[in-house]
Amino acid sequence: EAGVTQFPSHSVIEKGQTVTLRCDPISGHDNLYWYRRVMGKEIKFLLHFVKESKQDESGMPNNRFLAERTGGTYSTLKVQPAELEDSGVYFCASSQTLYSQYFGPGTRLTVL
Amino acid sequence: KQEVTQIPAALSVPEGENLVLNCSFTDSAIYNLQWFRQDPGKGLTSLLLIQSSQREQTSGRLNASLDKSSGRSTLYIAASQPGDSATYLCAVQTGANNLFFGTGTRLTVIP
Repeated sequence: EAGVTQFPSHSVIEKGQTVTLRCDPISGHDNLYWYRRVMGKEIKFLLHFVKESKQDESGMPNNRFLAERTGGTYSTLKVQPAELEDSGVYFCASSQTLYSQYFGPGTRLTVL
Repeated sequence: KQEVTQIPAALSVPEGENLVLNCSFTDSAIYNLQWFRQDPGKGLTSLLLIQSSQREQTSGRLNASLDKSSGRSTLYIAASQPGDSATYLCAVQTGANNLFFGTGTRLTVIP
Protein backbone atom coordinates (compact mmCIF):
# COMPACT_ATOMS: atom_id res chain seq x y z
CA GLU A 1 0.00 0.00 0.00
CA ALA A 2 1.41 3.37 -0.99
CA GLY A 3 1.97 5.88 1.76
CA VAL A 4 1.24 9.58 1.80
CA THR A 5 3.06 11.29 -1.05
CA GLN A 6 3.90 14.96 -1.43
CA PHE A 7 5.08 16.96 -4.39
CA PRO A 8 7.44 18.67 -4.90
CA SER A 9 9.99 17.54 -2.36
CA HIS A 10 11.68 20.93 -2.49
CA SER A 11 10.62 24.28 -3.90
CA VAL A 12 12.66 27.47 -4.12
CA ILE A 13 10.79 30.63 -5.10
CA GLU A 14 11.19 34.38 -4.94
CA LYS A 15 9.25 36.49 -2.51
CA GLY A 16 5.94 37.50 -4.07
CA GLN A 17 5.64 34.42 -6.26
CA THR A 18 3.02 31.72 -5.96
CA VAL A 19 3.66 28.12 -5.01
CA THR A 20 1.32 25.15 -4.93
CA LEU A 21 2.07 22.10 -2.85
CA ARG A 22 0.33 18.81 -3.44
CA CYS A 23 -0.51 15.93 -1.14
CA ASP A 24 -1.86 12.52 -2.10
CA PRO A 25 -3.20 10.71 0.95
CA ILE A 26 -3.39 6.99 1.49
CA SER A 27 -6.27 5.62 -0.56
CA GLY A 28 -9.46 5.47 1.45
CA HIS A 29 -8.37 7.94 4.11
CA ASP A 30 -11.10 10.53 4.54
CA ASN A 31 -9.07 12.67 6.95
CA LEU A 32 -6.28 14.82 5.56
CA TYR A 33 -4.14 17.24 7.56
CA TRP A 34 -1.59 19.90 6.71
CA TYR A 35 1.17 20.86 9.13
CA ARG A 36 4.29 22.97 8.78
CA ARG A 37 7.57 23.42 10.56
CA VAL A 38 9.37 26.71 10.29
CA MET A 39 13.05 26.98 11.19
CA GLY A 40 13.76 26.24 14.82
CA LYS A 41 10.12 25.82 15.74
CA GLU A 42 7.87 22.87 16.38
CA ILE A 43 5.59 21.31 13.76
CA LYS A 44 2.30 23.17 13.83
CA PHE A 45 -1.15 22.22 12.61
CA LEU A 46 -2.58 24.18 9.68
CA LEU A 47 -5.87 22.52 8.76
CA HIS A 48 -7.92 19.36 8.63
CA PHE A 49 -10.12 18.06 5.81
CA VAL A 50 -12.78 15.43 6.12
CA LYS A 51 -13.30 14.28 2.57
CA GLU A 52 -13.59 17.54 0.61
CA SER A 53 -14.79 19.68 3.53
CA LYS A 54 -12.61 21.80 5.78
CA GLN A 55 -13.22 20.51 9.29
CA ASP A 56 -10.78 22.82 11.05
CA GLU A 57 -8.66 25.56 9.51
CA SER A 58 -7.78 27.31 12.75
CA GLY A 59 -4.06 26.93 12.13
CA MET A 60 -3.92 28.69 8.77
CA PRO A 61 -1.65 31.70 9.33
CA ASN A 62 -3.37 34.20 7.02
CA ASN A 63 -5.37 34.57 3.82
CA ARG A 64 -2.31 34.10 1.63
CA PHE A 65 -2.75 30.38 2.23
CA LEU A 66 -5.48 28.50 0.38
CA ALA A 67 -6.08 24.77 0.76
CA GLU A 68 -8.34 22.66 -1.37
CA ARG A 69 -9.19 19.01 -1.60
CA THR A 70 -10.63 18.01 -4.92
CA GLY A 71 -13.29 15.33 -4.73
CA GLY A 72 -12.04 14.23 -1.36
CA THR A 73 -8.86 12.80 -2.85
CA TYR A 74 -5.63 14.77 -3.22
CA SER A 75 -5.15 18.18 -1.64
CA THR A 76 -3.29 21.31 -2.66
CA LEU A 77 -1.94 24.10 -0.52
CA LYS A 78 -1.32 27.35 -2.37
CA VAL A 79 0.69 30.21 -0.99
CA GLN A 80 0.08 33.49 -2.82
CA PRO A 81 2.05 35.71 -2.59
CA ALA A 82 4.83 33.93 -0.74
CA GLU A 83 6.72 35.79 1.99
CA LEU A 84 10.10 35.05 3.55
CA GLU A 85 8.51 33.78 6.76
CA ASP A 86 6.66 31.08 4.82
CA SER A 87 9.89 29.13 4.41
CA GLY A 88 9.83 25.78 6.15
CA VAL A 89 8.77 22.18 5.72
CA TYR A 90 5.14 21.48 4.94
CA PHE A 91 3.86 18.08 5.98
CA CYS A 92 0.70 16.31 4.96
CA ALA A 93 -0.88 13.48 6.93
CA SER A 94 -3.90 11.28 6.42
CA SER A 95 -5.91 8.94 8.57
CA GLN A 96 -8.84 6.59 8.32
CA THR A 97 -10.05 7.34 11.82
CA LEU A 98 -9.43 10.43 13.92
CA TYR A 99 -6.28 8.82 15.31
CA SER A 100 -3.05 7.35 13.96
CA GLN A 101 -2.14 9.91 11.36
CA TYR A 102 0.31 8.79 8.65
CA PHE A 103 2.71 11.46 7.52
CA GLY A 104 4.24 12.19 4.15
CA PRO A 105 7.92 13.12 3.61
CA GLY A 106 7.17 16.82 3.50
CA THR A 107 7.85 19.63 1.03
CA ARG A 108 10.71 21.94 1.88
CA LEU A 109 9.77 25.48 0.80
CA THR A 110 12.44 28.13 0.52
CA VAL A 111 11.36 31.71 -0.16
CA LEU A 112 14.20 34.02 -1.21
CA LYS B 1 -3.20 26.41 24.80
CA GLN B 2 -1.33 23.14 24.68
CA GLU B 3 2.45 23.38 24.77
CA VAL B 4 4.77 20.42 24.38
CA THR B 5 8.38 20.51 25.52
CA GLN B 6 11.10 17.97 24.83
CA ILE B 7 14.32 17.64 26.77
CA PRO B 8 17.12 17.35 25.85
CA ALA B 9 17.22 19.05 22.45
CA ALA B 10 20.14 16.87 21.43
CA LEU B 11 21.72 13.75 22.84
CA SER B 12 24.81 11.79 21.89
CA VAL B 13 25.46 8.34 23.32
CA PRO B 14 27.80 5.44 22.60
CA GLU B 15 26.34 2.36 21.00
CA GLY B 16 24.80 -0.09 23.44
CA GLU B 17 23.72 2.44 26.03
CA ASN B 18 20.16 2.68 27.30
CA LEU B 19 18.66 6.16 27.09
CA VAL B 20 15.58 8.16 28.03
CA LEU B 21 13.95 10.99 26.11
CA ASN B 22 11.57 13.28 27.94
CA CYS B 23 8.37 15.01 26.88
CA SER B 24 6.10 17.26 28.91
CA PHE B 25 2.79 18.90 28.03
CA THR B 26 0.82 21.64 29.73
CA ASP B 27 -2.79 20.51 29.29
CA SER B 28 -3.57 17.02 30.57
CA ALA B 29 -6.86 16.81 28.62
CA ILE B 30 -5.44 14.68 25.81
CA TYR B 31 -6.75 11.75 23.80
CA ASN B 32 -3.39 10.20 23.21
CA LEU B 33 0.32 10.80 22.96
CA GLN B 34 2.56 9.64 20.14
CA TRP B 35 6.26 9.29 19.68
CA PHE B 36 7.53 9.77 16.14
CA ARG B 37 10.88 9.31 14.51
CA GLN B 38 12.10 11.56 11.72
CA ASP B 39 15.09 10.78 9.56
CA PRO B 40 16.68 13.57 7.49
CA GLY B 41 14.61 14.30 4.38
CA LYS B 42 12.01 11.76 5.36
CA GLY B 43 8.53 11.94 6.81
CA LEU B 44 7.47 11.14 10.33
CA THR B 45 7.27 7.50 11.36
CA SER B 46 4.99 6.70 14.26
CA LEU B 47 6.80 4.61 16.85
CA LEU B 48 4.35 4.28 19.70
CA LEU B 49 0.89 5.61 20.49
CA ILE B 50 -0.36 5.68 24.06
CA GLN B 51 -4.06 6.23 24.67
CA SER B 52 -4.93 8.57 27.53
CA SER B 53 -6.19 5.63 29.58
CA GLN B 54 -2.91 3.71 29.19
CA ARG B 55 0.30 3.99 31.19
CA GLU B 56 2.78 2.58 28.71
CA GLN B 57 3.37 0.93 25.36
CA THR B 58 6.23 -1.25 24.21
CA SER B 59 7.59 -2.13 20.81
CA GLY B 60 10.82 -4.06 20.60
CA ARG B 61 13.57 -2.05 22.27
CA LEU B 62 11.27 0.95 22.74
CA ASN B 63 9.11 1.65 25.76
CA ALA B 64 6.98 4.75 26.16
CA SER B 65 5.30 5.75 29.38
CA LEU B 66 2.58 8.28 30.05
CA ASP B 67 1.70 10.09 33.27
CA LYS B 68 -1.23 12.18 32.14
CA SER B 69 -1.88 13.83 35.49
CA SER B 70 1.63 15.25 35.66
CA GLY B 71 1.82 15.96 31.93
CA ARG B 72 4.86 13.81 31.27
CA SER B 73 5.97 11.04 28.95
CA THR B 74 9.25 9.25 28.49
CA LEU B 75 10.63 7.21 25.62
CA TYR B 76 13.10 4.59 26.73
CA ILE B 77 15.42 3.07 24.14
CA ALA B 78 17.30 -0.03 25.21
CA ALA B 79 20.67 -1.10 23.83
CA SER B 80 20.93 1.80 21.41
CA GLN B 81 22.25 1.21 17.89
CA PRO B 82 23.67 3.60 15.27
CA GLY B 83 20.48 3.04 13.25
CA ASP B 84 18.53 4.69 16.06
CA SER B 85 20.13 8.02 15.17
CA ALA B 86 17.29 10.36 14.19
CA THR B 87 15.11 13.13 15.57
CA TYR B 88 12.46 11.91 17.98
CA LEU B 89 9.25 13.91 18.25
CA CYS B 90 6.55 13.77 20.87
CA ALA B 91 3.01 14.83 19.95
CA VAL B 92 -0.26 14.98 21.88
CA GLN B 93 -3.70 14.81 20.36
CA THR B 94 -6.47 16.88 21.86
CA GLY B 95 -10.19 17.06 21.27
CA ALA B 96 -9.56 19.24 18.23
CA ASN B 97 -8.10 16.19 16.52
CA ASN B 98 -4.92 17.92 15.46
CA LEU B 99 -1.55 17.09 16.96
CA PHE B 100 0.60 19.39 19.10
CA PHE B 101 4.29 18.64 18.63
CA GLY B 102 7.39 19.25 20.65
CA THR B 103 10.53 20.56 18.97
CA GLY B 104 12.17 17.15 19.13
CA THR B 105 15.31 15.51 20.46
CA ARG B 106 18.11 14.86 17.98
CA LEU B 107 19.72 11.55 18.93
CA THR B 108 23.14 10.45 17.73
CA VAL B 109 24.34 6.95 18.57
CA ILE B 110 28.09 6.66 18.14
CA PRO B 111 29.43 3.31 16.90
